[in-house]
Amino acid sequence: DAGVIQSPRHEVTEMGQEVTLRCKPISGHNSLFWYRQTMMRGLELLIYFNNNVPIDDSGMPEDRFSAKMPNASFSTLKIQPSEPRDSAVYFCAINRQGGTEAFFGQGTRLTVV
Amino acid sequence: GNSVTQMEGPVTLSEEAFLTINCTYTATGYPSLFWYVQYPGEGLQLLLKATKADDKGSNKGFEATYRKETTSFHLEKGSVQVSDSAVYFCALTSSNSGYALNFGKGTSLLVTP
Repeated sequence: DAGVIQSPRHEVTEMGQEVTLRCKPISGHNSLFWYRQTMMRGLELLIYFNNNVPIDDSGMPEDRFSAKMPNASFSTLKIQPSEPRDSAVYFCAINRQGGTEAFFGQGTRLTVV
Repeated sequence: GNSVTQMEGPVTLSEEAFLTINCTYTATGYPSLFWYVQYPGEGLQLLLKATKADDKGSNKGFEATYRKETTSFHLEKGSVQVSDSAVYFCALTSSNSGYALNFGKGTSLLVTP
């Protein structure tokens, strides 16, 4: 589904560097979610926004993680400083207005070395 | 809280075999239930959904019935194809979680010719 565009698709960075992941919803929505996928922990919710307002960030693992949604068409997830254990695939997803199902972007595969 | 338990994989089947992937859930209120599929290197795609008890979701030959009495949503397909090889995730969402998804750990399916 082309409802969500994520960039970059792949990111390799050194430990300690700042990483910014981007999400661009291209269809109408009222909620936006950031998930992380690892082999050990599966898919975990990090944070979600309703109408651009952060509602629940209890899944954000540490203060090193932050997320913003300055407008309905753009969201970022930032990790500063990054650590090897942050290596994962990060997904952005949206719920369309009036719907309960989520539509996912292709994900960003992050590798921290 | 909400949770989803699905059978561990990997599952290996021959083409045209019958598929069942078990999924049970724990939730407060009246959740909606989903199966998502993830092909290698891709994001998650909605396969099917059911929003109330006794609903049957179906798509591409896959089916699952929302069973409130057994809190289950098992995925079935009568005759699998090689192209069905993927990871399958059972998930639920509800209004009291802001429609964020709770996922099972995923079941890897490999279909051999």
